[in-house]
Amino acid sequence: GQQLNQSPQSMFIQEGEDVSMNCTSSSIFNTWLWYKQDPGEGPVLLIALYKAGELTSNGRLTAQFGITRKDSFLNISASIPSDVGIYFCAGRSGSARQLTFGSGTQLTVLP
Amino acid sequence: DTAVSQTPKYLVTQMGNDKSIKCEQNLGHDTMYWYKQDSKKFLKIMFSYNNKELIINETVPNRFSPKSPDKAHLNLHINSLELGDSAVYFCASSQDSLRGTRVGYTFGSGTRLTVV
Repeated sequence: GQQLNQSPQSMFIQEGEDVSMNCTSSSIFNTWLWYKQDPGEGPVLLIALYKAGELTSNGRLTAQFGITRKDSFLNISASIPSDVGIYFCAGRSGSARQLTFGSGTQLTVLP
Repeated sequence: DTAVSQTPKYLVTQMGNDKSIKCEQNLGHDTMYWYKQDSKKFLKIMFSYNNKELIINETVPNRFSPKSPDKAHLNLHINSLELGDSAVYFCASSQDSLRGTRVGYTFGSGTRLTVV
C-alpha cells in the first residue's frame, strides 16, 4: 500500500522563525494536502495541491507539490504562538480510494 | 453552520460494554469516513461509505460495525469494548471520492473514547 514519510516528527522553534516540513511517498500521487490539528479538534485543511510543481500560499503558509509527484513540503514563515499544533500531510494516487496520511509533525513555538 | 458533527465528544466506559458514536454532515458530501487516531497521533482509516455503500473496510475487528442510514450520516457501533480501543475517533466527509476529483476531507472534532 501507499506509504508516507513525514519529517520532522517534532520541531521546537522560536517565535518569528520560519519552519519547513516535508513528506515523501513510495508512489506517485496526484493530490497532496496539508492539514493542521489543534489540541482537542479534528484536522483542518490548510492547503490543497493538485498539479506537479504547483506552489500555493495561504497567508504565511506555502506548500509545493514536488515535480516527481512523490513529495511535498510546507513552509511556515514568521511563526506565531497559534501555529502550535500537529501538521499532517496527506496524499492520494490515482488508483486509491482514500487519502493516506503522514505521521504528523508536532510544532511547538517558544515565546 | 456547515460542518461534520460527531457525538459524543467524550466517552468513558467499562470493558465489555457496547457503545455508539454518531456522525452527521450537512456539506452535501457523498462519502464519509471513520478514522482512529492513536496515542502517537497516527490517523488510520477504518471505514468509508459512498452514498450509503461500504467501499473501504480496513483490517478492523468485527466488533466495530459502521452503519449509514443515509449519505449524511455514518455511525460507528463498537461491541465488547477493550482497553486497546481507547483512542480518538474522527468522522470525516468528502465529495466525489470514487470519481477521483478533488477530495479534501472535512473532519469532525473527534470523540475521545476511554475504556477502563
